Amino acid sequence: AQKITQTQPGMFVQEKEAVTLDCTYDTSDQSYGLFWYKQPSSGEMIFLIYQGSYDEQNATEGRYSLNFQKARKSANLVISASQLGDSAMYFCAMKGWTDKLIFGTGTRLQVFP
Amino acid sequence: EPEVTQTPSHQVTQMGQEVILRCVPISNHLYFYWYRQILGQKVEFLVSFYNNEISEKSEIFDDQFSVERPDGSNFTLKIRSTKLEDSAMYFCASSEVIPEQFFGPGTRLTVL
Repeated sequence: AQKITQTQPGMFVQEKEAVTLDCTYDTSDQSYGLFWYKQPSSGEMIFLIYQGSYDEQNATEGRYSLNFQKARKSANLVISASQLGDSAMYFCAMKGWTDKLIFGTGTRLQVFP
Repeated sequence: EPEVTQTPSHQVTQMGQEVILRCVPISNHLYFYWYRQILGQKVEFLVSFYNNEISEKSEIFDDQFSVERPDGSNFTLKIRSTKLEDSAMYFCASSEVIPEQFFGPGTRLTVL
């Protein structure tokens, strides 16, 4: 069975600093994708970044990068130069050979001045 | 930038009533999904829809639930007889062939 684990219920970071949000996964699929979504207090789910299991380079999107370590089954999100607007819940998710996304329990990030 | 839209943003209903949640996916997307998030919990997959039929559904998606694409733009989720435990945020999502799923802003369903 597929599973996503996010062990950090909450994280604090000072503005302009970098922060890493942890995500580990478990799957028996050979081909899979890993995703990060941001959920602000307003409730919407905002797609941030995607990494395919066969991608050799770590994905980057602006200030977001995904630290993909396949042997360790980890897909950590790194946010560089944190901003106050980054305060939100962050969900790691995985998609195997089926259509559905499997989500973790999320990490609440708070950025302070 | 194109986006998924959902209506209503908040729906309050009495237990046992039928509700229809509406979604307009991104226009060139082919795959459509419904997820739900009970307050304070993680997002759970309900159903995926492609080529006018359900391609996958979870154990949550029982006979009380149905989905429909009544025209070329709308995608609906119907709950036939709502229960208290159906109270949640319901998200519609869509994707092209590429794997990223883009979510709508959600409909908060409150069952009294």
